[in-house]
Amino acid sequence: GAGVSQSPSNKVTEKGKDVELRCDPISGHTALYWYRQSLGQGLEFLIYFQGNSAPDKSGLPSDRFSAERTGGSVSTLTIQRTQQEDSAVYLCASSLGTRFMIQETQYFGPGTRLLVL
Amino acid sequence: SQKIEQNSEALNIQEGKTATLTCNYTNYSPAYLQWYRQDPGRGPVFLLLIRENEKEKRKERLKVTFDTTLKQSLFHITASQPADSATYLCALGGRDDKIIFGKGTRLHILP
Repeated sequence: GAGVSQSPSNKVTEKGKDVELRCDPISGHTALYWYRQSLGQGLEFLIYFQGNSAPDKSGLPSDRFSAERTGGSVSTLTIQRTQQEDSAVYLCASSLGTRFMIQETQYFGPGTRLLVL
Repeated sequence: SQKIEQNSEALNIQEGKTATLTCNYTNYSPAYLQWYRQDPGRGPVFLLLIRENEKEKRKERLKVTFDTTLKQSLFHITASQPADSATYLCALGGRDDKIIFGKGTRLHILP
């Protein structure tokens, strides 16, 4: 596609429910990132996928958070037993992911706005 | 721990003037620094990248400086326009693939 797409654009859920957020990266981009942005806060790194390598999960805030990337393309971020503090905008970004070019541009999707009631 | 600081207060600049945004960092030696623009309800959009061995980078009305001794980057928008109003994010990248973002500075260009 022309850019990174994310779905849904908005999600309202009840505390304790599970949610799945989807990211479609730019075709051909091997690197994919998930970030969380709370109101008035910067982008908080969550997880990073690079090709077929094991993902860097160092930013996941708790074991309720997990992410998968199938076939090196689409990624799903899952939040189990959601809490009110999970309310935020979840942003996905992709980049070419060539390890020899460390200074790469990240292309962001529009984000999913999650509200946990 | 690594820390990035950007002007926490919104910056109001008169149209036509130069807007200058600051990014300071501590406990980090980045290989490069990026500036992104974010409009309300949208994801960030990449603007400029400057490497650790570069002092200055320009793109049209934008200029970025990078002082690794002061651990500071300055982002300038010359001949500012109301359409430049947005939040501007500073991001630092190391030799791994992780990028650390600042909280951003809201810029308002007043007509």
